[in-house]
Amino acid sequence: GAGVSQSPSNKVTEKGKDVELRCDPISGHTALYWYRQSLGQGLEFLIYFQGNSAPDKSGLPSDRFSAERTGGSVSTLTIQRTQQEDSAVYLCASSLRIQGKETQYFGPGTRLLVL
Amino acid sequence: QQQVKQSPQSLIVQKGGISIINCAYENTAFDYFPWYQQFPGKGPALLIAIRPDVSEKKEGRFTISFNKSAKQFSLHIMDSQPGDSATYFCAAQSGGAQKLVFGQGTRLTINP
Repeated sequence: GAGVSQSPSNKVTEKGKDVELRCDPISGHTALYWYRQSLGQGLEFLIYFQGNSAPDKSGLPSDRFSAERTGGSVSTLTIQRTQQEDSAVYLCASSLRIQGKETQYFGPGTRLLVL
Repeated sequence: QQQVKQSPQSLIVQKGGISIINCAYENTAFDYFPWYQQFPGKGPALLIAIRPDVSEKKEGRFTISFNKSAKQFSLHIMDSQPGDSATYFCAAQSGGAQKLVFGQGTRLTINP
């Protein structure tokens, strides 16, 4: 079955470089989320897309972080001028709200290491 | 007010024992409370969820207990097994906001 996929699965980059992380949500899911999970830590909300509405960017930690969702499907999270503290697992989730209940389906994540 | 506080941060239980993880919230607008299970190297996956119109929901060995007046809910894992070793996240959502608010996570280890 087609779950949420993310690419790359691992990314090693040098401090100061830009990186792009990709998320392919489940087909038909209208909502898409990005989270960051540092080693052994909880889920830090980054950004949320819902249909054609303006995204909720309230969790983005700095202006080096941005995301877009093209055609209501694939999303790209971009981190500019990466810093070592950006090293984490970046998780994407998509969801479909049915009768007021929403289940988020997570991808396997992209493990980012900034050297 | 949007926070969900989860405890303990880590928990070790013997095989066959009962694992209990607790969460508390402040926002009375929350109306949906899911629990997610995450294995190492994987994304979290929905385990079980409850709405505040019931005080308990059971699915197999997993039970959510919900105390609306205390604004607390907990996950109980009966007859805990080594395969239950994972990180568990509670979460809460209000109908208007849609965004799930996650607890900090509990790393559960079941010793054989």
